[in-house]
Amino acid sequence: DAKTTQPNSMESNEEEPVHLPCNHSTISGTDYIHWYRQLPSQGPEYVIHGLTSNVNNRMASLAIAEDRKSSTLILHRATLRDAAVYYCILRGSAGSARQLTFGSGTQLTVLP
Amino acid sequence: NAGVTQTPKFQVLKTGQSMTLQCAQDMNHEYMSWYRQDPGMGLRLIHYSVGAGITDQGEVPNGYNVSRSTTEDFPLRLLSAAPSQTSVYFCASSAKQGVNTGELFFGEGSRLTVL
Repeated sequence: DAKTTQPNSMESNEEEPVHLPCNHSTISGTDYIHWYRQLPSQGPEYVIHGLTSNVNNRMASLAIAEDRKSSTLILHRATLRDAAVYYCILRGSAGSARQLTFGSGTQLTVLP
Repeated sequence: NAGVTQTPKFQVLKTGQSMTLQCAQDMNHEYMSWYRQDPGMGLRLIHYSVGAGITDQGEVPNGYNVSRSTTEDFPLRLLSAAPSQTSVYFCASSAKQGVNTGELFFGEGSRLTVL
């Protein structure tokens, strides 16, 4: 099964960029890379996803390595409201449980 | 739009009791799934469904049953509650990956305590 590996925790200063890494060395060609975040006492929420090319949206940017074995979620200017657990998961086109499996995620602490 | 609705938000059970956590979505999503989240841990997949009439097990299915008689609803049944099932339960739905974003939409969670 394709799995992802993330650091348990990271810290950032407010208003500075944050780079959250994710390794997915067994990714298959049809797997999309999704990022979600979970604020305290809430359900996870979608952040961004991509397949091969780097992606930008209003929340973040996603940089995908050329071999697709790793990716990085970039928060351009961290705010206190970005303190959350960030999950990187792989979603394939087939209907398998593999695509819905979350790891432990990265706990991001934002320091004022 | 209501999105994904879970009920109840809080529940206390005694060991051995049974109950059903309800999950409904109004986005016509094919995929629905149930997760549990224990304190300080990530989400673990319990059961999932890729469409009405189709369900399958996730990582931690023991002690739980599901059914998917309609596209909208995906109830999770605890057959005989145990203290180890004390957790926060999240329901999620999505369109198939490749249709729109395949984004997972989560409910607000149901906090279950088994005494």
